Amino acid sequence: AQSVTQLGSHVSVSEGALVLLRCNYSSSVPPYLFWYVQYPNQGLQLLLKYTSAATLVKGINGFEAEFKKSETSFHLTKPSAHMSDAAEYFCAVSRRGGKLIFGQGTELSVKP
Amino acid sequence: GAVVSQHPSRVICKSGTSVKIECRSLDFQATTMFWYRQFPKQSLMLMATSNEGSKATYEQGVEKDKFLINHASLTLSTLTVTSAHPEDSSFYICSARDPGTGNEKLFFGSGTQLSVL
Repeated sequence: AQSVTQLGSHVSVSEGALVLLRCNYSSSVPPYLFWYVQYPNQGLQLLLKYTSAATLVKGINGFEAEFKKSETSFHLTKPSAHMSDAAEYFCAVSRRGGKLIFGQGTELSVKP
Repeated sequence: GAVVSQHPSRVICKSGTSVKIECRSLDFQATTMFWYRQFPKQSLMLMATSNEGSKATYEQGVEKDKFLINHASLTLSTLTVTSAHPEDSSFYICSARDPGTGNEKLFFGSGTQLSVL
């Protein structure tokens, strides 16, 4: 069975600081992995995805993630946080047929 | 890019009534759509997979008679919450797969906040 675990339900950083949101996955087959962002009372927006091509994936809004098979991780990073980055972030793994299994979510707060 | 429209964005209803939520793919034909449910401060839980022209596939623990799904056309799937109760209050989100982009390309609607009084 496939699953993802996000470490830390809430992360707080200062504006301009590094953002690191952690995600570990469990999968018996090579996974497709995703990071989504959700703003209050809205749907999800895809930040980036890993589909077995390059292990370092660059997404929108300056975010990137690195797939590390040895660590079963897919952590999301951004060098410099912006106030507009404050949102809920979800890591997800794709099951066969396009179904997504989501992690618990990490709320990112950005302090001025 | 591909867009998925979900309507309504917010609905308040009385206990015992039924509520229909629509999910439309605006510029592609979606043979498969997914319905998720999200409680406050929690993750999204897959409820069911909606397949055009056939019965929906429900995840374990989801009541089929409670959450009726119809996918009558390639651009529209509906979720009807029947005889709604306060515990059904939640945020419902649909997603659609654009078959032209592979299994990994999903587009999400903006969600529906259901409040049952």
